[in-house]
Parts: sequence; structure tokens; C-alpha cells
Amino acid sequence: ETGVTQSPTHLIKTRGQQVTLRCSSQSGHNTVSWYQQALGQGPQFIFQYYREEENGRGNFPPRFSGLQFPNYSSELNVNALELDDSALYLCASTWGTGLTYEQYFGPGTRLTVT
Amino acid sequence: AQSVAQPEDQVNVAEGNPLTVKCTYSVSGNPYLFWYVQYPNRGLQFLLKYITGDNLVKGSYGFEAEFNKSQTSFHLKKPSALVSDSALYFCAVRDGRYNQGGKLIFGQGTELSVKP
Repeated sequence: ETGVTQSPTHLIKTRGQQVTLRCSSQSGHNTVSWYQQALGQGPQFIFQYYREEENGRGNFPPRFSGLQFPNYSSELNVNALELDDSALYLCASTWGTGLTYEQYFGPGTRLTVT
Repeated sequence: AQSVAQPEDQVNVAEGNPLTVKCTYSVSGNPYLFWYVQYPNRGLQFLLKYITGDNLVKGSYGFEAEFNKSQTSFHLKKPSALVSDSALYFCAVRDGRYNQGGKLIFGQGTELSVKP
């Protein structure tokens, strides 16, 4: 196991609603990243947080936002849900940089928007 | 822009035969390359990485990967496939622009099917 947990496992929401997904990463892993994996595709980077501040974002609109807390937990918030937001959302924590770089993924949250 | 490509959507192999899952990359600077495996309804599991050093990298579950700088490839290999190896495999490269190292760029994935 990677030591990264996510909740809930599955979630069904209606278009236009808001959702919060949660992640708990390993102690000492200061960077947390979120990815969206649509069906049949590779994971796409949403953003990353380092020491509780966003310091990198992929091609996702501002309605995707996040928080990172001092206890190594984090949240992904998505407002005004759209049908295309249906996907597996993966949280990953990163340890080290350069040669020691390791990224560990949680099991994901499957979001279905109807 | 940095990217990886997995040219095969699916690879079919008989159990006991060697397997290869292909990956090519395009990066500026030194490549940090990874292979992950994903089983149905599961997250990504780390298999191996290339950072520097030997071109043949050994990883988990008997997998290895060969880094080839001249061909910009990082193919995943296993000498003898198992039915339990059937899964979705992703090649990824670290985006070096992110100093805190949190971004991986993934390929589209290759579905590996190992038949008895």
C-alpha cells in the first residue's frame, strides 16, 4: 500500500452541484497533486499544492480548486459540475526531488455526474 | 513541451512468453521516466523509474525497463508473462518545470492481456 487514502470511493452528483473530494497523504510528503482520469485515458494533472499553497496548475478552469492542510490532508473542490467532470480523481503525494523523487497514488474517487 | 507516447492501445501475450510495452518520450533536459500499473477500479501502482545511471532498470513484480537515449524510448519488459500481469500500464515523465516535483505527464495507457 502507498499510505495515501481517498474518500469517498464513489460519488454520484447532479450537473450544477458542487463536490468535495478528500485525500490523506503520508507524513513528510509536502507536495500533493490531483489528477483527473477520464475513461480510457491517462491521468491529467489538475494542480499541485506545496506547503499549503497552490504552485502549479494544469489546463483546468478555476471551478476546480483545492486546499492542503498542515496534517498532510487535502481537498479537491469542483463547482458547477458538468457531465464531462465524470472521471476517476486521483490524489498523489510526492516525496523528495531530483534523484529521490517518488510519487505515491491513492486508490481514487470515482465521480459520476448525471 | 514534454510528453510521452504509448503507440499500442493493447498488447496480447501468451502466458510464459516475454512481453514488451512500448513508450517513447520527448523532453527538454534530463528525462525522469516512470512506469505505473493500474488494475480495474484501482489507483496507480508504481513499478519502476529511471532517473540516471544504468539503462536497464529493474522494478517490482519482475518488470524491467530499458532506457534508450538515442531512440528516446523507455520500453517496459518482462521475461515471462503471467495472467495476473493483465492490467493497464502507463508510462510517465516528470515535468521538470515544477520545482517541487508534483507533476507527472502520462501516456494514454496500454492494455496488457496475458492469456493462459
